[in-house]
Amino acid sequence: AQKVTQAQTEISVVEKEDVTLDCVYETRDTTYYLFWYKQPPSGELVFLIRRNSFDEQNEISGRYSWNFQKSTSSFNFTITASQVVDSAVYFCALSGQGGSEKLVFGKGTKLTVNP
Amino acid sequence: GAVVSQHPSRVICKSGTSVKIECRSLDFQATTMFWYRQFPKQSLMLMATSNEGSKATYEQGVEKDKFLINHASLTLSTLTVTSAHPEDSSFYICSASPVGPGNEQFFGPGTRLTVL
Repeated sequence: AQKVTQAQTEISVVEKEDVTLDCVYETRDTTYYLFWYKQPPSGELVFLIRRNSFDEQNEISGRYSWNFQKSTSSFNFTITASQVVDSAVYFCALSGQGGSEKLVFGKGTKLTVNP
Repeated sequence: GAVVSQHPSRVICKSGTSVKIECRSLDFQATTMFWYRQFPKQSLMLMATSNEGSKATYEQGVEKDKFLINHASLTLSTLTVTSAHPEDSSFYICSASPVGPGNEQFFGPGTRLTVL
């Protein structure tokens, strides 16, 4: 069975601090996809990244970066120089082969960035 | 980018009534759509997988007779909550996956259902 664990329930930081959101996953599939989504108070899910299991290269997009390590089954997300607008709930998710299969979500991490 | 819409965005109804929620892929065709439910301060949980032209596949513990899913076309799936009760109050989110392998899912904006 697939499982995603986000051990951090809530994180609070001060603006401009760096923050890392942890994600650990379990799957028996050899091919799978990992995702991060942002959910602001409005509720709409905002897609951040999709990574397939064969691509372990870390990725950077502006202030966002992701560290994928198959050896530890982790796909951590770092926000550099956090801003108040980054405040939201962040979900890590996992799907099977194809990337278009159903998603298994972690419980989410609520990030609060204080001014 | 691919856009998925949901209608209505918010609905309040009396206990015992039925509510229909529509999920549309606006600029692509989707053979598969997914329905998720999110209770307050909780994660998204998959309810069912909807395939165009066939019966939906429900996750364990989801009552198929209570949550009716119809995927009549490649751009529209509907979820009907029948005889809604206060415990059905939740945030319902659909997602759609474009035709073809390896495509990601695109999420709708969600529908907030409140049953009085």
